[in-house]
Amino acid sequence: AQSVTQLDSQVPVFEEAPVELRCNYSSSVSVYLFWYVQYPNQGLQLLLKYLSGSTLVKGINGFEAEFNKSQTSFHLRKPSVHISDTAEYFCAVSGLGGNTGKLIFGQGTTLQVKP
Amino acid sequence: DTAVSQTPKYLVTQMGNDKSIKCEQNLGHDTMYWYKQDSKKFLKIMFSYNNKELIINETVPNRFSPKSPDKAHLNLHINSLELGDSAVYFCASSQGEVDNSPLHFGNGTRLTVT
Repeated sequence: AQSVTQLDSQVPVFEEAPVELRCNYSSSVSVYLFWYVQYPNQGLQLLLKYLSGSTLVKGINGFEAEFNKSQTSFHLRKPSVHISDTAEYFCAVSGLGGNTGKLIFGQGTTLQVKP
Repeated sequence: DTAVSQTPKYLVTQMGNDKSIKCEQNLGHDTMYWYKQDSKKFLKIMFSYNNKELIINETVPNRFSPKSPDKAHLNLHINSLELGDSAVYFCASSQGEVDNSPLHFGNGTRLTVT
């Protein structure tokens, strides 16, 4: 079984500042890792994913995440945020070889970008 | 051009009623899902269908019954609605069990049971 913990429920940050959204996971098997973003009143869309290979993964909108197996983490980063990045961010995991549609989501982190 | 569309967007109903939420995807995907997002924004999978066959059925009350008439549609019927069913329900699709196929979500149906 897998579980995901997003360590911050809310992250306020000023525009153009860097941001890191933290995610830790627990699993007895190898996993695939994902970050999804949910803008107000919309569905989720994929930001980036880690399946294998390079531990630094780049996604859309300037986001990147680093897979750290020893620390079981997959933190999301952006060097300079915009007001439009204000949204809910979800970290998710699925078991290796399993249906990647059966995602286990974290509790979400609300990113609030202030002018 | 909407990839995954759900109807209705909002649904307000009274306890004890029966209601349905419809979902359609035009991506040609083989697999469709229903996820529930509660008031704390916690997302949990309910069901998934692959080519009209039930694949995942999480611990969901029998009052919830998914129906997939074809692989482009997955509807969710809920009987005897309860207050605790109030949530946002998301439909999603992906290209089967391919490892690198991300989920495509609809915009959600906000169900309010009074």
